[in-house]
Amino acid sequence: DTAVSQTPKYLVTQMGNDKSIKCEQNLGHDTMYWYKQDSKKFLKIMFSYNNKELIINETVPNRFSPKSPDKAHLNLHINSLELGDSAVYFCASSQSSGPPVGYTFGSGTRLTVV
Amino acid sequence: RKEVEQDPGPFNVPEGATVAFNCTYSNSASQSFFWYRQDCRKEPKLLMSVYSSGNEDGRFTAQLNRASQYISLLIRDSKLSDSATYLCVVHSNYQLIWGAGTKLIIKP
Repeated sequence: DTAVSQTPKYLVTQMGNDKSIKCEQNLGHDTMYWYKQDSKKFLKIMFSYNNKELIINETVPNRFSPKSPDKAHLNLHINSLELGDSAVYFCASSQSSGPPVGYTFGSGTRLTVV
Repeated sequence: RKEVEQDPGPFNVPEGATVAFNCTYSNSASQSFFWYRQDCRKEPKLLMSVYSSGNEDGRFTAQLNRASQYISLLIRDSKLSDSATYLCVVHSNYQLIWGAGTKLIIKP
């Protein structure tokens, strides 16, 4: 059983299109995240949801809109894709209560905008 | 100054050698610390938490120096499979702050 699963694994699309990436976790965690890792390999947080509520919203274009229908799911919708959006997008989850023991990541979605 | 800084490397190390790298953090109120490992084209995976008294897991030893605000990772008897990028992560202000990673290449 995959703990954090995200789909699709690869996404190649044209500029201007709208696309979504889905993420689901079966760990019972209450917090989920979207990270972007660009070609320089730096991991940057984009959004964080705790129990379906947005708690971190870093400076990302408003073309990016996260949606959390329940605490096990956090989807990312991207409008009007641009070349600079090409990156690997990682979903992650953690438990906010108790000692922080780090995150569990999904395997990533490699987005290529052409 | 960045919140979490690491030497990007790469560190080229012969198999069997001992290698160590540090990570500095700027927020003295940071509460907890981790080392993650990321293989090429894979997701980051938790390697170990870093405890105040230092901790060891097999060939890996992590240490925290609060006075100088850095954490370290020591790898003994390095294996080819240790080749990866090692990410330092600091729990600060209710979120994890990630370093950019140190690339380690173990050569036969």
